[in-house]
Parts: sequence; C-alpha cells; structure tokens
Amino acid sequence: GQSLEQPSEVTAVEGAIVQINCTYQTSGFYGLSWYQQHDGGAPTFLSYNALDGLEETGRFSSFLSRSDSYGYLLLQELQMKDSASYFCAEGAAGNKLTFGGGTRVLVKP
Amino acid sequence: ETGVTQSPTHLIKTRGQQVTLRCSSQSGHNTVSWYQQALGQGPQFIFQYYREEENGRGNFPPRFSGLQFPNYSSELNVNALELDDSALYLCASTRAGGAVGELFFGEGSRLTVL
Repeated sequence: GQSLEQPSEVTAVEGAIVQINCTYQTSGFYGLSWYQQHDGGAPTFLSYNALDGLEETGRFSSFLSRSDSYGYLLLQELQMKDSASYFCAEGAAGNKLTFGGGTRVLVKP
Repeated sequence: ETGVTQSPTHLIKTRGQQVTLRCSSQSGHNTVSWYQQALGQGPQFIFQYYREEENGRGNFPPRFSGLQFPNYSSELNVNALELDDSALYLCASTRAGGAVGELFFGEGSRLTVL
C-alpha cells in the first residue's frame, strides 16, 4: 500500500522560510512530486525528485532521502501569493499518483 | 493555465441520480487521469485512460466509470450518486513517456449531492 504523511497547516510571515515535510510508506517507490493548489484552483506541478538530494527551482526547493523515506519542500522568501495548499505525491508507473493529505500554508504580513 | 478544460464547473444532484463530467486534455497529451478531492483532503486516484482503454484504477466502486475518445478527451460517469460523492473531480492529462511525476490538472468540476 501507499501512504504519505505531511503536516496539516503551517503559518509564517512574509520573507520567512517554510519547510514542509513528507514521510511515505510505499512499495515500489518511484519518486516524490510536489504540487501547489490555491483555493478554488487546480493543483499545479512544482517539482519531482527521483534521486536523493536537493532540487532547486527559484524560491522553491525539494529534497528526497530514499533511505529515510522522507522528503521536504522548502519555500524561501515567502510571499503572500504563496498562501496555498501543498501536496506531496508518490508516482506509480504511468504517473498514477498517490497524494498526501496536504499542508495548508498561511503567509501573514 | 494548463490547457486542460473541464465541464461543468459546478453542479448539484440528488442521491440516486447519475452524473457525467467531461474533460479535454492538453494538446499532445494522450493519457487522462481522474481524481476525486474531498474538501480539505488530497486528490485520490480514480482511474486512468490511455488509448481509449482503462489503464489502472484506484479504490473506487464500479459505479464510477469512464470513457476516452479518439481525440483523447474523456468522460467520468458516476451512477447511483451518494452523499459522500460530493467532491471536486479533477481531470489530469499527460503524455505517455512524458515527464515523470508531472500531471497537468484542470480546475475541476465541483459536485454537490443532496
């Protein structure tokens, strides 16, 4: 089976750094994706890690440790527009993704 | 925007009714997946269609069914609606052999069952 755990909510101020952790228990693990979803909007792809290590894309970075069954998404220089829900997701063959429950990030002025 | 369009955006049905939701995939994408997202939860995989055939299914009963057409667009049908079927239904497209882990989602159809 597959399950992914992430915190339900994080609050931070503009300019801060937020780390969203994701632990997984899966068989046949392929890799870890991260998606952002604003209220009323579509999930949008942020990053994918297949190998251990850090992937950086602008203000957002994602990390994976296969040996620890753990990954995280790092949001730097937080902006108000970053207020959204963030989901980690594990992909089986053919991109049939299993999503975590989501972390709601609230950015305050 | 991803280029994936869904209709209708909102609809209200009553228990026992049937519903059909539609999805047009992004140009060049031949694989369509459907997800159910209950309020405050992550999307749950319903099924995937590739070359007009079902190509994998999540833990959903047979009253959830789908179709894919030659132009790669897709439909999700739900029969005998239950209150717990109230959710946002998301369609996602990708290209077979495309980037791993990356799906392109539409904005969803929000279904309310009364």
